[in-house]
Amino acid sequence: EVQLVESGGALVQPGGSLRLSCAASGFTFSNSRMDWVRHAPGKRLVWVSRFRTDGDEGDRIAYADSVKGRFTISRDNAKNTLYLQMTSLRAEDTAVYYCTRSGSSGVFLSWGQGTLVTVSS
Amino acid sequence: DIVMTQSPDSLAVSLGERATINCKSSQSVLYSSNNKNYLAWYQQKPGQPPKLLIYWASTRESGVPDRFSGSGSGTDFTLTISSLRAEDVAVYYCQQYYDAPITFGQGTRLDIK
Repeated sequence: EVQLVESGGALVQPGGSLRLSCAASGFTFSNSRMDWVRHAPGKRLVWVSRFRTDGDEGDRIAYADSVKGRFTISRDNAKNTLYLQMTSLRAEDTAVYYCTRSGSSGVFLSWGQGTLVTVSS
Repeated sequence: DIVMTQSPDSLAVSLGERATINCKSSQSVLYSSNNKNYLAWYQQKPGQPPKLLIYWASTRESGVPDRFSGSGSGTDFTLTISSLRAEDVAVYYCQQYYDAPITFGQGTRLDIK
C-alpha cells in the first residue's frame, strides 16, 4: 500500500523558513516522480513543485512562478523521502501542503494527508 | 497558464439521481499526436486529501466505482455520477496536465438534496 506522510508544517513568521518532509513507502520511490501541491483555505489546489526521475537532468525539477527562487525541492532516495525547503515565507504561502506520487505525465496518483503551514505574525 | 473553470460551484442531488459536473479549459488539452486529453478528476471528502478518480478524461482509476464516468474532449469535459450515494458527498476538482504549470478548477461541492 502506498503511504505518504508529510511533516514539518508549523506557524512561522513572514520572512521565515521551514522544511517539509514526505516519507514514502509501498512503491519504488527512486523511480517515481514526486510533486508538492498546496491548498489554501477557500482557494483552489495549486501545484507547487515537481521532481522527476526521467528526462534531462536540467529538466527534472520545476517550480510554480509564485515560489521560484524561494522554495527548493529535493529528495533522498536512500531514505525514501521528499523535501521542500521554504524560505522568505509570505502570508500567501499559508496552506496545507500535500506530497504526491505522480505519473510521469502529471497525474497525481496518491496523496499524503498534508501538513499545515501558517505564515503569520 | 491554462485556466480551468468548473460549473456549477455547488449542487445538491437526491440519492440515486444523476450528478453532472462540468469543466472547461481556456485552451485545448487534447494532444493531437496521441489523441489523449490531459484531464483528470479528483474527489476530496471532508478532512481527507484529494483522491484520483479519472485520468485521460475518461479512464477510471483502479478501484473507483463504475458509477463515476468522465467524458469530453478538447476544452469541455464532464464528470458524471450515475446514481448518487451518500458517500459521494465531496468537493470535485478537474485538473489539466497538458501544459506547465499544472492547474486545477476551483472545485464543485456536491451535497445530498
